[in-house]
Amino acid sequence: SQQGEEDPQALSIQEGENATMNCSYKTSINNLQWYRQNSGRGLVHLILIRSNEREKHSGRLRVTLDTSKKSSSLLITASRAADTASYFCATDPGANSKLTFGKGITLSVRP
Amino acid sequence: SQTIHQWPATLVQPVGSPLSLECTVEGTSNPNLYWYRQAAGRGLQLLFYSVGIGQISSEVPQNLSASRPQDRQFILSSKKLLLSDSGFYLCAWTRLAGSTGELFFGEGSRLTVL
Repeated sequence: SQQGEEDPQALSIQEGENATMNCSYKTSINNLQWYRQNSGRGLVHLILIRSNEREKHSGRLRVTLDTSKKSSSLLITASRAADTASYFCATDPGANSKLTFGKGITLSVRP
Repeated sequence: SQTIHQWPATLVQPVGSPLSLECTVEGTSNPNLYWYRQAAGRGLQLLFYSVGIGQISSEVPQNLSASRPQDRQFILSSKKLLLSDSGFYLCAWTRLAGSTGELFFGEGSRLTVL
């Protein structure tokens, strides 16, 4: 079963705006990861946040984690047309060697 | 640096035909290896994972199988394809034995079963 569920399913914004994507999960985790997938390509790892971390930054990306609410958010600031892609959250329960992915969010950034 | 290769990139096969998708990783040793399937507009479904040569764990019952004949080679197979096997197949690896860590994905193999 898929543990992570992203919200919204699709997001369309204007270039320069910020994009916020959310992920909720059901059981305890060791870490949570966000990935990006361009159409027809493999997934690319963006950022990993551990269960004892609350916020992490990487360039224009900001990820937060609230373990009490079992949720995470990914913020892309000053979006660009090149950010158009699908974004997935993945949870690591830590008990074994498997990540569980959500269904993804389709982000469209209009030039 | 590490790289991962998947082939073929695209494949069109008739129902009932066999399948072999291959994945190799370079630049690392003893990786954890994974096969995922992504149906159109959906998330990733883990099919198989392997923590070592000859060690395969299956996540879902299906007519697919996986093998790991060498440390950095992972093969996805089927003896007889079904229409429902169509999808985008992704191979991935992680460097941290016993832990998940960051996954590195191949470029995928798109399978269409007619």
